[in-house]
Amino acid sequence: GNSVTQMEGPVTLSEEAFLTINCTYTATGYPSLFWYVQYPGEGLQLLLKATKADDKGSNKGFEATYRKETTSFHLEKGSVQVSDSAVYFCALRKGGGSNYKLTFGKGTLLTVNP
Amino acid sequence: GAVVSQHPSRVICKSGTSVKIECRSLDFQATTMFWYRQFPKKSLMLMATSNEGSKATYEQGVEKDKFLINHASLTLSTLTVTSAHPEDSSFYICSAPPGTASTDTQYFGPGTRLTVL
Repeated sequence: GNSVTQMEGPVTLSEEAFLTINCTYTATGYPSLFWYVQYPGEGLQLLLKATKADDKGSNKGFEATYRKETTSFHLEKGSVQVSDSAVYFCALRKGGGSNYKLTFGKGTLLTVNP
Repeated sequence: GAVVSQHPSRVICKSGTSVKIECRSLDFQATTMFWYRQFPKKSLMLMATSNEGSKATYEQGVEKDKFLINHASLTLSTLTVTSAHPEDSSFYICSAPPGTASTDTQYFGPGTRLTVL
């Protein structure tokens, strides 16, 4: 079946540090890949996505590239801010049309200190 | 952006009682809603797909008689945990894709923390 593995947290960084959160997946065919973010007390929000190999999703300074050869979708940001402190979830969606079902990783808690 | 609310945000109940959790789409209509469960340090696990006007579709291994889902209107889905036991303690999250948005768009509720004593 489909699965998503992301690096265990928590991750603690100082402001302006470089961030990488690793994510690998297992799925047949060509899933769509997502990063969701959950700020304290809020629901999950879509951060970025990529729908085919070599696509790069980007938003708010975050980037992730769909690498089919390594089945990876690592999240990166060059300079994190305190406001980036949140839980980050990697996810995949297999299937098209109205199939919205998502398979999530366990989530990685990021804390950014001033 | 679109907002999905859940109520209550936190509930504590005694073993053997039933608990109802509401999921509402506040500014859009949702013919489909999803219910997830999250254990500590575990992934969000899809429990069921709630369909307005028809029966919910449950994922393998989820007891439909234990987790009753009702999608009575285009803005409300409810999850009732019947005869709750301590092992049902978890974080329950709903999500909804707006009917007119792209298939990649889903809006998530903030979650409900259930503790069964």
